[in-house]
Amino acid sequence: SQQGEEDPQALSIQEGENATMNCSYKTSINNLQWYRQNSGRGLVHLILIRSNEREKHSGRLRVTLDTSKKSSSLLITASRAADTASYFCATAPPYTGANSKLTFGKGITLSVRP
Amino acid sequence: NAGVMQNPRHLVRRRGQEARLRCSPMKGHSHVYWYRQLPEEGLKFMVYLQKENIIDESGMPKERFSAEFPKEGPSILRIQQVVRGDSAAYFCASSLGLAGYTDTQYFGPGTRLTVL
Repeated sequence: SQQGEEDPQALSIQEGENATMNCSYKTSINNLQWYRQNSGRGLVHLILIRSNEREKHSGRLRVTLDTSKKSSSLLITASRAADTASYFCATAPPYTGANSKLTFGKGITLSVRP
Repeated sequence: NAGVMQNPRHLVRRRGQEARLRCSPMKGHSHVYWYRQLPEEGLKFMVYLQKENIIDESGMPKERFSAEFPKEGPSILRIQQVVRGDSAAYFCASSLGLAGYTDTQYFGPGTRLTVL
């Protein structure tokens, strides 16, 4: 079953607007990570938020995590055409002494119109 | 510091042939992960390796797929007797493997396998 579920599936906004993307998950996590993928390319790591953190910032990115609701949101402020890409959330299970696989959602397609 | 390297970037095979995908982790990283991405889908975990050890292969198909990460050289994902359903993008990721918590995985550009 899908651990990470993003919504919306697709988002189209005007350059300069903010983009908010949400991710929900089902089981306990150690951390949640957001990645960006441009069409036909690899994944670029954007930000990691740990289960004991509630909010994190990196440049124009703001991530929140609500473990009681098992959800996270990614906010991109002042969007640019170059932000057009697919965005994925990925969760890592509770740490048990070794690193572990990430479970990805299906992704959100963001289009930023110039 | 070079990122995760994968080669080839594109691979075309006919049904029944073997596909070998290579991954060199980032410098200093000793943990390697393989994921598969089907069109319009997210990434699905396949296998997690450390040097000379398979840590978790719960996502690997039971037949035809194997992976290794030798003491020297890149990690190899091997698919024997490929079928059309193996057509996908295969991504490798690496991490430092810091003790105490799960750390960031950095992804390579992927190998796009097409089976004719």
